[in-house]
Amino acid sequence: QQQVKQSPQSLIVQKGGISIINCAYENTAFDYFPWYQQFPGKGPALLIAIRPDVSEKKEGRFTISFNKSAKQFSLHIMDSQPGDSATYFCAAQGGATNKLIFGTGTLLAVQP
Amino acid sequence: NAGVMQNPRHLVRRRGQEARLRCSPMKGHSHVYWYRQLPEEGLKFMVYLQKENIIDESGMPKERFSAEFPKEGPSILRIQQVVRGDSAAYFCASSPLNTGELFFGEGSRLTVL
Repeated sequence: QQQVKQSPQSLIVQKGGISIINCAYENTAFDYFPWYQQFPGKGPALLIAIRPDVSEKKEGRFTISFNKSAKQFSLHIMDSQPGDSATYFCAAQGGATNKLIFGTGTLLAVQP
Repeated sequence: NAGVMQNPRHLVRRRGQEARLRCSPMKGHSHVYWYRQLPEEGLKFMVYLQKENIIDESGMPKERFSAEFPKEGPSILRIQQVVRGDSAAYFCASSPLNTGELFFGEGSRLTVL
């Protein structure tokens, strides 16, 4: 049962370009939508998060766009840098026990 | 303030042996979560615990897997009679409340020969 669907599976972007990763969810009880960044051999770390009462949140070069009616949200990385090369996971939290459910991840490679 | 500490970082077991993975949450965090990561499968929720209580174990296989978070000491994920399909990275995360940011450890990588 995949409650959070993420695409694309992998992404190659040129330095300075925009990286866009999309996610869709099914459970309307979800009320917290974070994005995590994971480098090889490390644990995931919170990058940016949004709650459904706003449609967009921006922190530096990272922006989350949220469409509550479509049950979709996306991560935009502006001016992508080689140091942004990592795996990105969207996630959703909510429901009876408020557990955090992750998407399948997107491997981003930013070419210099 | 030390982060989430997991050990061992790497563990090799033969089929049929037991694996014990330990997780010490961040200071002041009473909520612990275990996730399993397989290549190209993302992070799969396994179990959510508070001190001495299992809150949600809906992601745990019904057999061979167990988890605990005692009043004193680290959280333990125990896998009995390991099989090759158990080979994966197991991540522990903690949070001060059951909402918002989870802080992850660096994972324990289990290899079953």
